[in-house]
Amino acid sequence: RKEVEQDPGPFNVPEGATVAFNCTYSNSASQSFFWYRQDCRKEPKLLMSVYSSGNEDGRFTAQLNRASQYISLLIRDSKLSDSATYLCAVNIINSGYALNFGKGTSLLVTP
Amino acid sequence: SAVISQKPSRDICQRGTSLTIQCQVDSQVTMMFWYRQQPGQSLTLIATANQGSEATYESGFVIDKFPISRPNLTFSTLTVSNLSPEDSSIYLCSVKETGGNTQYFGPGTRLTVL
Repeated sequence: RKEVEQDPGPFNVPEGATVAFNCTYSNSASQSFFWYRQDCRKEPKLLMSVYSSGNEDGRFTAQLNRASQYISLLIRDSKLSDSATYLCAVNIINSGYALNFGKGTSLLVTP
Repeated sequence: SAVISQKPSRDICQRGTSLTIQCQVDSQVTMMFWYRQQPGQSLTLIATANQGSEATYESGFVIDKFPISRPNLTFSTLTVSNLSPEDSSIYLCSVKETGGNTQYFGPGTRLTVL
C-alpha cells in the first residue's frame, strides 16, 4: 500500500462549483500534513498546511481526520485559475521534515 | 518565504555523463532536501542535504549515483552520475523554513538523457 494515496481524477467542474479532494495516509504516527498546488511544468507551491482542528483560507478549507487517516481539501466557488494538480503531502517519519507526496489530483475548472 | 533558485533550469545530457544541479537560497536554512519527479509521477525524496556532514539518503538512492554537497546553510548541489535515460526527470530542491515545518520548492531542473 502506498504511503499517501489520492484519487488522480481528473475532476472537471464548472466555474462556481464546490469540489472536494481526499487523501489517505498509511502511517498513523504522521504529524504534519499539507496541500500543495502544482501547475503544469512548474514546481509545487504550498497551498495550505492542515491543522488538527481544520483550517480555512478564503475559498479553501482543509480538514484532518486522524481516526480514518485522511485529509481533505474543499474548494468553494471554483475559479478557472484553480485548474491545477493538487498534491497531498505528509511528513516522513524519522526523516526530519521531509515529505511523502501523493500522486496528485487533477482539477479542471471550465467556463 | 525563502527565495530558491536552481541552475540549470533544464539540460539535455548524453548517457554515461553526469549533471550537477545547484540550489541557492536567499537566507540561511537548516534543512534542505532533494526530490525527483518523474514524468507523470509525484515527488520522491532522494535525500536530506546535511550541512557539514554526509547527506541522508532514502531507500533506493545511493551516494555513488546521487552525490550531494552542502557546504553552507544557503547552498547545496546534487549530482546525477552515470546518466541513463531512466534518470530523465525533474529534480527539485526544497527548504524547510526556519522555525516552522513547511517546505518551499525551487523551480526545478528538467533533465533529459539521450
